[in-house]
Amino acid sequence: EPEVTQTPSHQVTQMGQEVILRCVPISNHLYFYWYRQILGQKVEFLVSFYNNEISEKSEIFDDQFSVERPDGSNFTLKIRSTKLEDSAMYFCASSTPYEQYFGPGTRLTVT
Amino acid sequence: AQSVTQPDIHITVSEGASLELRCNYSYGATPYLFWYVQSPGQGLQLLLKYFSGDTLVQGIKGFEAEFKRSQSSFNLRKPSVHWSDAAEYFCAVGRQAGTALIFGKGTTLSVSS
Repeated sequence: EPEVTQTPSHQVTQMGQEVILRCVPISNHLYFYWYRQILGQKVEFLVSFYNNEISEKSEIFDDQFSVERPDGSNFTLKIRSTKLEDSAMYFCASSTPYEQYFGPGTRLTVT
Repeated sequence: AQSVTQPDIHITVSEGASLELRCNYSYGATPYLFWYVQSPGQGLQLLLKYFSGDTLVQGIKGFEAEFKRSQSSFNLRKPSVHWSDAAEYFCAVGRQAGTALIFGKGTTLSVSS
């Protein structure tokens, strides 16, 4: 069964550093998303991407964040200058557009 | 604005007993409704969804949910819980296909033997 994959599974970085989180969506899906889940809290939407552009973004998705689909398979989330409060589990999802399927997540720890 | 409320933070059910997890949503039109399950350290697995049509929907792992427009609810049920069902369950709502999902805070299910 096709699935969304994410790398790395765990990333530790120092405050102020740039990180890139990678995702490979399900191959025939057209919509891509990033969500995050701070420990013990609910899953929050960050951004959606369709037809090579951002289709929707939340208040969380400020200028420190960017997304890119550099090739036909990868979908990336970049955080330019990480803050302590960026520590969270980041989930990538993709959809046809109907059901959103989530990857296993990348745990980002900012020290 | 859309919102999702899961009134129960934590529920404990005996193995073999029935389960109902509550979800209420706030949205002007008929939303797209979902239930996801998250096991510790894992991602979110889609259990079931409602877009339109029959208000009782069947999902994976023996789960079902019923959409009740009059109550703005989409409660998740299972007739007989197994120990492996212990996990966190999230209800989510979307305005339409391809848009952001808004999640509830989740309900943690514990299963006692």
